[in-house]
Amino acid sequence: IAGITQAPTSQILAAGRRMTLRCTQDMRHNAMYWYRQDLGLGLRLIHYSNTAGTTGKGEVPDGYSVSRANTDDFPLTLASAVPSQTSVYFCASSDSSRENTGELFFGEGSRLTVL
Amino acid sequence: GQNIDQPTEMTATEGAIVQINCTYQTSGFNGLFWYQQHAGEAPTFLSYNVLDGLEEKGRFSSFLSRSKGYSYLLLKELQMKDSASYLCAVKDSNYQLIWGAGTKLIIKP
Repeated sequence: IAGITQAPTSQILAAGRRMTLRCTQDMRHNAMYWYRQDLGLGLRLIHYSNTAGTTGKGEVPDGYSVSRANTDDFPLTLASAVPSQTSVYFCASSDSSRENTGELFFGEGSRLTVL
Repeated sequence: GQNIDQPTEMTATEGAIVQINCTYQTSGFNGLFWYQQHAGEAPTFLSYNVLDGLEEKGRFSSFLSRSKGYSYLLLKELQMKDSASYLCAVKDSNYQLIWGAGTKLIIKP
């Protein structure tokens, strides 16, 4: 693994189903983020984690949950998917020593369609 | 509320110069960032400005005026591979990134 990896890259899901998007990084970054990207809108922060063991809510957290059991992994769970959660989801990480630069490293994205 | 404005779409010619503007209204300011995003791909970091002035990095330059709440990204000697969306983002007083919707740049031969 080099960088940040997301899985699956694409998924079609029936409404009401539970879904977990996986995110793993091998850069030992302390901060990790989940964004959703929708056409015509800027990236919107769902949840974040500044360090292993802690998480926080972003701009659009409803319907989503996260956990950060260790430095490398930051899964995003949709407990009961709804069509409005159809989107492209990006996981990102940053190194706190470089946090002032705001340089985020993004995964390749997970395209989720909820029918 | 917090707001980042940038044009939705711009068109330019290969070899030319293009300037993509970004204006912002945020609660505090801790830096402005530009990212490039090719269609179907992840955003990648381009530049960072926290002080007024111009930051140059090869063919790309980014300018900031904090008093005007304004930035631009200048791309010189345009190449076809520069066709992408360019995202402006501002870090607010809580160190949260606020993102613009992005400017889709179309390069024509």
